[in-house]
Formats: sequence, structure tokens, C-alpha cells
Amino acid sequence: GAVVSQHPSRVICKSGTSVKIECRSLDFQATTMFWYRQFPKQSLMLMATSNEGSKATYEQGVEKDKFLINHASLTLSTLTVTSAHPEDSSFYICSVGRGDNQPQHFGDGTRLSIL
Amino acid sequence: QKEVEQNSGPLSVPEGAIASLNCTYSDRGSQSFFWYRQYSGKSPELIMFIYSNGDKEDGRFTAQLNKASQYVSLLIRDSQPSDSATYLCAASKGGGFKTIFGAGTRLFVKA
Repeated sequence: GAVVSQHPSRVICKSGTSVKIECRSLDFQATTMFWYRQFPKQSLMLMATSNEGSKATYEQGVEKDKFLINHASLTLSTLTVTSAHPEDSSFYICSVGRGDNQPQHFGDGTRLSIL
Repeated sequence: QKEVEQNSGPLSVPEGAIASLNCTYSDRGSQSFFWYRQYSGKSPELIMFIYSNGDKEDGRFTAQLNKASQYVSLLIRDSQPSDSATYLCAASKGGGFKTIFGAGTRLFVKA
């Protein structure tokens, strides 16, 4: 399956800081990547679909100005949590799929803690 | 109705037993089905995927698909304590549609 690298694995920062998370597809040129958020003991929630060379598609209720997504190349998508607040503390996970009806492969996730 | 439904559990089985995890989906256009395992604090990892009706076996794992009943299951034979995790069922209908994940079933294998 696709090899996905996500960085950083853990971030602890003060309220008001902007945090950038990188997701790299190491062995596959991904036109589409996905960003998920997962709160403790809750299910995966799709935040947005990252599209190479075009705007991301955000799920209902996800603020696009709060969660900036850039997919500038076929191997890299970034998620920036702008002016993060304690309620943004969560586990953020990216994934890559090789195409329609193919399984998604996940990065190791980023645990974000906002103080 | 959720698009992909799973019993949240926990499902508790003794070591060596067969664990049976079930999933139903509402969209008859779904074509591909996936099972992921997620350990606490970790990201999901793919265990199995199945496209056709019937059974698909891989080691101790067997995925079963019944499209008429819109039902997918995962059997884990000879369950081990290391199998204790949350198991996510997912469905995809292709054509650019996103993959839909269930909320997951927590499995606990007692030593």
C-alpha cells in the first residue's frame, strides 16, 4: 500500500498559534489526499479533501479559513490550523488513496495540544 | 440512518476464540469495503478489503460481503490479546465519492 509520512507527530503550543502539519505520499503521486480529525474515543471525522493544484473540498461545518489546506505538489499536502485554541486540540490524520475504490492509507497522525 | 453502521461494543472474546465484527451500509451503490484496525492513540491501518460477494481470507482474518443484505463482516480466528483494538468498517462507491467510515467496534481479547 501507499506509504504516507506525516509530520510532526506531536505539537504542544499556546493558544493563538498557527500550526502547520505536513502529509507526504512517499511512493505514489497523489492527486487527492484526505484530512481527518479524531477526538478521544470518538470516530474519524473527515475534514476536507485536498486536491492537487486546486482548492480543497471542505466538509460541512469545517471552517475553511480556520483550517487551511495546500496541496501544491503530487506528494505533499499541508494543513494549517490558524490561531489555534484549546478546542482545536485533537488527533489530526491524513490519508492517501490510490484511486477510486482503492483503500486509503493513513499517516501516523499528529496529536495537537493547545494550551 | 448512518451510512455505515457498526456496533460500538466493546466486544469481549477469550483468547483463541473467533471474534466476529459486523457492519451494515445504506448506499447500495457502494462497491468496495475495507476493514481497518486502530490501536488506542494510533492511526488506522488497513487489514482487509473486499469487492465481491463472498469470503476473502488472509491469514487469521476473513472478510465477508453480502451485497444483497448490505452487510460486511470481519472474522478474526484464534484471537490474540494483541488484536484488542477498534475496528473500523468503511465503504466506497468510487466515481470520486469519498470513503465513508463507520464509528468502529472496540474489541477486547481476554488473555
